Amino acid sequence: KAGVTQTPRYLIKTRGQQVTLSCSPISGHRSVSWYQQTPGQGLQFLFEYFSETQRNKGNFPGRFSGRQFSNSRSEMNVSTLELGDSALYLCASSIGQGGYTEAFFGQGTRLTVV
Amino acid sequence: AQSVTQLDSQVPVFEEAPVELRCNYSSSVSVYLFWYVQYPNQGLQLLLKYLSGSTLVKSINGFEAEFNKSQTSFHLRKPSVHISDTAEYFCAVSETGGSYIPTFGRGTSLIVHP
Repeated sequence: KAGVTQTPRYLIKTRGQQVTLSCSPISGHRSVSWYQQTPGQGLQFLFEYFSETQRNKGNFPGRFSGRQFSNSRSEMNVSTLELGDSALYLCASSIGQGGYTEAFFGQGTRLTVV
Repeated sequence: AQSVTQLDSQVPVFEEAPVELRCNYSSSVSVYLFWYVQYPNQGLQLLLKYLSGSTLVKSINGFEAEFNKSQTSFHLRKPSVHISDTAEYFCAVSETGGSYIPTFGRGTSLIVHP
């Protein structure tokens, strides 16, 4: 069974540009969550999608957006990149919406903004 | 809203010594508790979880954690660590019947020395 796949693994962008990250969840999983991981802040929740609908959103500015497609694949977009957006972006999928369900994480996309 | 505190950012220990990684949480309702492990350049993997029932839960690789409701803690222990246990460990909590989005602690870096 294939795991969660995130592409690309590494990305370097210039301040002011925009970026799109992709996440393919485990087959059959309908919930996809995104997290930003930085050394200083740890894992911070960005948003969660279930069946193409955004169910929860973290405390991030509107420059951060996402969507989920009918096949459960998800993308997140960051516009007008800032140096502080440099981080590891992790995607996690789970089979359902319950808080008891295990989240399966991808290896992440390492974004560096210069 | 729930919160998680991992009291130690870094725990150095010698191989074959016991280790305890501390985790305290705050929540006004019942919770589910998780420990995830992150190896270098990898995503997070579930190590063990407490949903209900026995307060002592164990992983297949020798870790265990005990849910203590009165002290709102979920400390992770291993009686004898190996070099391969070197990794970042994250405690997470989600509220039963709540938004079910887990809140993660900032992580504890376990460093096992030979």
